Amino acid sequence: GDSVTQMEGPVTLSEEAFLTINCTYTATGYPSLFWYVQYPGEGLQLLLKATKADDKGSNKGFEATYRKETTSFHLEKGSVQVSDSAVYFCALGGSQGNLIFGKGTKLSVKP
Amino acid sequence: EAQVTQNPRYLITVTGKKLTVTCSQNMNHEYMSWYRQDPGLGLRQIYYSMNVEVTDKGDVPEGYKVSRKEKRNFPLILESPSPNQTSLYFCASGLRDGFGDEQFFGPGTRLTVL
Repeated sequence: GDSVTQMEGPVTLSEEAFLTINCTYTATGYPSLFWYVQYPGEGLQLLLKATKADDKGSNKGFEATYRKETTSFHLEKGSVQVSDSAVYFCALGGSQGNLIFGKGTKLSVKP
Repeated sequence: EAQVTQNPRYLITVTGKKLTVTCSQNMNHEYMSWYRQDPGLGLRQIYYSMNVEVTDKGDVPEGYKVSRKEKRNFPLILESPSPNQTSLYFCASGLRDGFGDEQFFGPGTRLTVL
C-alpha cells in the first residue's frame, strides 16, 4: 500500500543553519504531496504542497520539490530560525481522500 | 474564521466509561476524518467520512465509532475506552478533489484512560 518514509529525528540545528528533512514515498498513481508542521501544543498546519511532478511548493522560506523519478519530496530551508522549532510531517494524498503521514521529524533550533 | 473545533481539549477518564469527542467545521467541507497521534507512530487514521451518512474505517478503527448526521459535525465515540486508547486525537476536514487535498486540523484532544 501507499506509504511515506521520512528521516528519523530529532534534528538539532543552530540558528541560520541549512535544513533538509528527507521524505520518500511509495504510491500508485501520482498523489499530491504535503508537508505539515506541528508547533508545540498545537494541531497540524499545512506548510506547503505539490500536486504534480516537478512542482515546487514553498512557504515561509521552506521549499520542497515533487520528484517523481526518485519518489521524493525533501523539505529544505536555507536559514532556520528558533521559531521553526516544531515537528514536521511529510504526507501523501491517498485515493480515498485521506492523508498518509510519515512518522514526523522533530526539529530543534538553538540560538 | 474558518476552523475545525474539537471538544474537550483534555480528558481524563476511566476504563469502560463511554465518552464522545465532538468535532465541528465551518468550511462546508465534505470530507472529515479522525486521526490519533502516538509517539514514534506518527498520525494514523481512525475513521473518515466522505459526506453525510457516509463513513468508513481507516487504519486503526477498533474500539471507535463515528457518525455523520450533519455535514459540519463528526463526533468520535469510544463506547468502552481502554488504556491503549490513551492518545492525542485530531479531527480534520477538507475538500475532496479525487486524489487528496489540503486538510484542516483541529487543535487536538488529549485523552488519558486510566
